[in-house]
Amino acid sequence: AQSVTQLGSHVSVSEGALVLLRCNYSSSVPPYLFWYVQYPNQGLQLLLKYTSAATLVKGINGFEAEFKKSETSFHLTKPSAHMSDAAEYFCAVSGAGGSYIPTFGRGTSLIVHP
Amino acid sequence: KAGVTQTPRYLIKTRGQQVTLSCSPISGHRSVSWYQQTPGQGLQFLFEYFSETQRNKGNFPGRFSGRQFSNSRSEMNVSTLELGDSALYLCASSSDGTGQETQYFGPGTRLLVL
Repeated sequence: AQSVTQLGSHVSVSEGALVLLRCNYSSSVPPYLFWYVQYPNQGLQLLLKYTSAATLVKGINGFEAEFKKSETSFHLTKPSAHMSDAAEYFCAVSGAGGSYIPTFGRGTSLIVHP
Repeated sequence: KAGVTQTPRYLIKTRGQQVTLSCSPISGHRSVSWYQQTPGQGLQFLFEYFSETQRNKGNFPGRFSGRQFSNSRSEMNVSTLELGDSALYLCASSSDGTGQETQYFGPGTRLLVL
């Protein structure tokens, strides 16, 4: 079975500050990992994904995430937050146990203060 | 390429009615998945269709059903609507749904059951 835990349903940062959104997964085999972003009244958009190549994955809008197998983590970071980054962020895992249906975390709402 | 489209975008129904939602995937994509998103339960997988066959099914009652046509367009149907069915229904497509593939999401259909 596969599962995803996103620590913190809300994260608040100041504009220009570091963004860190945490994601831990549970999987018995090396998984595929994704981060998606959802803006109000829109569907999900892929930020980045890990598929067993480089452990440091760079995505769109300046985001990156590092796959750490020993910690079963895939935290999302951005060096400097922008007001436009305010949105809901979802971590997802797939591929474990032959399941290619992604399992999503509960989401983290990123709030950016001016 | 046109993105994933969903119709209608908004829908209001009353308890006991039925509803049909439509999803047109990205051209060339053969896998279509449906998700229910609510504040309380987050993103929950409903079912996945691939080449007109239901390949995976989530843990939802039989009132939720779907189908996929030869052109990969998909519909989902909810019969005997309940208040708890109020949600954002998201459709996502990928080329063959192998797990490492990116899912491309539509904007969703927001269903309100009164």
